Amino acid sequence: AQSVTQPDIHITVSEGASLELRCNYSYGATPYLFWYVQSPGQGLQLLLKYFSGDTLVQGIKGFEAEFKRSQSSFNLRKPSVHWSDAAEYFCAVKAYSGAGSYQLTFGKGTKLSVIP
Amino acid sequence: DTGVSQDPRHKITKRGQNVTFRCDPISEHNRLYWYRQTLGQGPEFLTYFQNEAQLEKSRLLSDRFSAERPKGSFSTLEIQRTEQGDSAMYLCASSSGDRGLSPLHFGNGTRLTVT
Repeated sequence: AQSVTQPDIHITVSEGASLELRCNYSYGATPYLFWYVQSPGQGLQLLLKYFSGDTLVQGIKGFEAEFKRSQSSFNLRKPSVHWSDAAEYFCAVKAYSGAGSYQLTFGKGTKLSVIP
Repeated sequence: DTGVSQDPRHKITKRGQNVTFRCDPISEHNRLYWYRQTLGQGPEFLTYFQNEAQLEKSRLLSDRFSAERPKGSFSTLEIQRTEQGDSAMYLCASSSGDRGLSPLHFGNGTRLTVT
């Protein structure tokens, strides 16, 4: 079965500093990978997705992620963090469920705090 | 396009009571999903519909849980005889397409507290 590991539960960075959030997945076939962001009390917003092609994908709000098949990783990056980026970030993999469709499996999330 | 709408935003109930949540997906989306999220965890899949057909249910969905999407538009999730362990955020999401590869669009969730 597929799984997603986000090794960092909580990360704190200073405003203006660079950011990298780690994500490792386990899935036997071609993965479809996503990053979502969740502000407190809110639903999840899609930041970016990887299906195929260029392994460096650009998303909204200045985020990007790089797919590395050899490392089974899909790390999220941002060159300069803004205070409004403080939120929880979830990596997810979409895998064939065996019921004729694909289902999304999430990691446990990384909470990002930003110091002004 | 007003996004995925969920009602109510918050629900407090006593153990043993029944509760029902509603989800209105993005109008042109044929797929609708329910997820549950507990504190410190990522969302966990409960069930999904393609149009009005419920095509998959997670083992997390006990017999006390039932979901419907009667006309392929809005959906309801009912929990009977609630337990304290049911306290969580219940998220609804929708997507389009035939194979389910399109990204999911999430609502803001219904937070359930069972006292």
